[in-house]
Amino acid sequence: AQRVTQPEKLLSVFKGAPVELKCNYSYSGSPELFWYVQYSRQRLQLLLRHISRESIKGFTADLNKGETSFHLKKPFAQEEDSAMYYCALRHGSARQLTFGSGTQLTVLP
Amino acid sequence: SAVISQKPSRDICQRGTSLTIQCQVDSQVTMMFWYRQQPGQSLTLIATANQGSEATYESGFVIDKFPISRPNLTFSTLTVSNMSPEDSSIYLCSVEGVSSSYNEQFFGPGTRLTVL
Repeated sequence: AQRVTQPEKLLSVFKGAPVELKCNYSYSGSPELFWYVQYSRQRLQLLLRHISRESIKGFTADLNKGETSFHLKKPFAQEEDSAMYYCALRHGSARQLTFGSGTQLTVLP
Repeated sequence: SAVISQKPSRDICQRGTSLTIQCQVDSQVTMMFWYRQQPGQSLTLIATANQGSEATYESGFVIDKFPISRPNLTFSTLTVSNMSPEDSSIYLCSVEGVSSSYNEQFFGPGTRLTVL
């Protein structure tokens, strides 16, 4: 069965510092990996997906199949990055997502 | 993209009663899902709402407890039946749409349910 693990429930960094939110997955096939973000009082929204290899709001994530990881990184955190971040996996022909437990990021001034 | 609305946005219910949550999408979509987010927990898929046929439930969820309707391609309901305090959660509707040439899941604002 597929599984997504986010080991950090809470993460605090200072503004301007680098940030990395960890995500590990277990799945025997070729997964699609996503990062979703939920800002305070807003709905859950897609931040980025691994297949597009894009940088959104300065965030990037690289799929490492050897380490089965999809860590989210940003070189210089901003206060507006404070939010809940979820790593998610879509597997095989299924269209639904399996979510990690989420990491609450707080960027301190 | 797809814009999703849910009703009600929140409710406080008594044990043993039932609540029906509505999900409305501004465009026709094939795939529609219902998730639950218990306090302090991540999102867990309850079921996939299929238009014109019975919903497909995930392990641990049954139709008697969470009946789902999908009468057309823009609307679905989830009922939480015979509620207990353990059903207190946020219930989210999501749909699959296309954004920037990729399939993407869009989420509704959620329905916050408290069962006393």
